[in-house]
Amino acid sequence: QVQLQQSGPGLVKPSQTLSLTCAISGDSVSSNSAAWNWIRQSPSRGLEWLGRTYYKSKWYNEYAASVKSRITINPDTSKNQFSLQLNSVTPEDTAVYYCARVDYSTSPLWGQGTLVTVSS
Amino acid sequence: DIVMTQSPDSLAVSLGERATINCKSSQSVLHSSNNKNYLAWYQQKPGQPPKLLIYWASTRESGVPDRLSGSGSGTDFTLTISSLQAEDVAVYYCHQYYSTPQTFGGGTKVEI
Repeated sequence: QVQLQQSGPGLVKPSQTLSLTCAISGDSVSSNSAAWNWIRQSPSRGLEWLGRTYYKSKWYNEYAASVKSRITINPDTSKNQFSLQLNSVTPEDTAVYYCARVDYSTSPLWGQGTLVTVSS
Repeated sequence: DIVMTQSPDSLAVSLGERATINCKSSQSVLHSSNNKNYLAWYQQKPGQPPKLLIYWASTRESGVPDRLSGSGSGTDFTLTISSLQAEDVAVYYCHQYYSTPQTFGGGTKVEI
């Protein structure tokens, strides 16, 4: 059974970098049929897809236009996990962040969520 | 981007009655190669992550009661709760993952 376990700080100061990690069990971050996503949810923006990473003979990343200049999603094959980095955060980046496996091959699977507050 | 429009924003249904939630996508989410609609439905209760109910538009996730069902194809989809129970009070979302950026409906709040 595939499980996703999120970790990372719940409080980030404005202008700093938000960093979260999603550890995968029961599957491989390098799977040719999987895509590993980050999604966030806030009262003002609703559910918002941020980006994904996936492997099909080489690594690919895709990002939402709204965060493209500030976001990096990286796979870590040695630890079987993937991470989110969001630079130059503002209070508008306050949200619950979810990692998720969402792809064509199977049903979507979400992590438990991490509330990240941007405040000084 | 594919825009997902849910209706209604909220609805109140008596216990045991039917609840119907609609979701319309601005473009088709049907993949012609395998005839699958990449459309999922979620239930979210306060303080909890979204819970997957339905994927591929009509495939019920394991453990989901059969009073919840999904239907539709292309651009028009429906989530039906055939006989509302107290534990069904929640916000429901549709989600297209046919193309990036993935997008979500605005949510429908179901109350008794």
